[in-house]
Amino acid sequence: SQTIHQWPATLVQPVGSPLSLECTVEGTSNPNLYWYRQAAGRGLQLLFYSVGIGQISSEVPQNLSASRPQDRQFILSSKKLLLSDSGFYLCAWSKGILDQPQHFGDGTRLSIL
Amino acid sequence: AQSVAQPEDQVNVAEGNPLTVKCTYSVSGNPYLFWYVQYPNRGLQFLLKYITGDNLVKGSYGFEAEFNKSQTSFHLKKPSALVSDSALYFCAVRDITSGTYKYIFGTGTRLKVLA
Repeated sequence: SQTIHQWPATLVQPVGSPLSLECTVEGTSNPNLYWYRQAAGRGLQLLFYSVGIGQISSEVPQNLSASRPQDRQFILSSKKLLLSDSGFYLCAWSKGILDQPQHFGDGTRLSIL
Repeated sequence: AQSVAQPEDQVNVAEGNPLTVKCTYSVSGNPYLFWYVQYPNRGLQFLLKYITGDNLVKGSYGFEAEFNKSQTSFHLKKPSALVSDSALYFCAVRDITSGTYKYIFGTGTRLKVLA
């Protein structure tokens, strides 16, 4: 069966520090991969998605970036965190087939001090 | 553009009563609709989907959803609510127009089941 792993679960970082969040998927190949941010336990904001290795699409201009160095690995990064980067970050995967749902990791709670 | 709307920020229901969480959609072509549930500090969990066929879709944990094409709705239902159903619920539609297969989510509805 397929699984998705996200780490760390919680992270406290000072303003201006770098960030690296990692997400890996097991049990499937060539998944579509997504990064979302959720503020205050509410709606989801799509940040990045990827349909293949090295293929990244950005939805919202910001100081975050994403990379997909391997088929089932998706990394969210920042060189300098802002206070506004605080939130709950969710990674998800789906098959590239229209009728398939997304599957989410358990998220990373990021607090910027 | 594809979109979904969840008109209620919160729904309160007594334990044992039926529950309904509303969702309406706007799409070009046939809709691919999904419901997810999110518990505190967890990711979203897939509950059920509508692609085609029977308008009543059954899913996990006793949930079902009714697809209504004329009303462009996809309401989530459960005959008898449990306190453990208290969570945040999201309706989503797959964006098939952009060629990217993104998912468009509603703003979420918080369900509170009272004992």
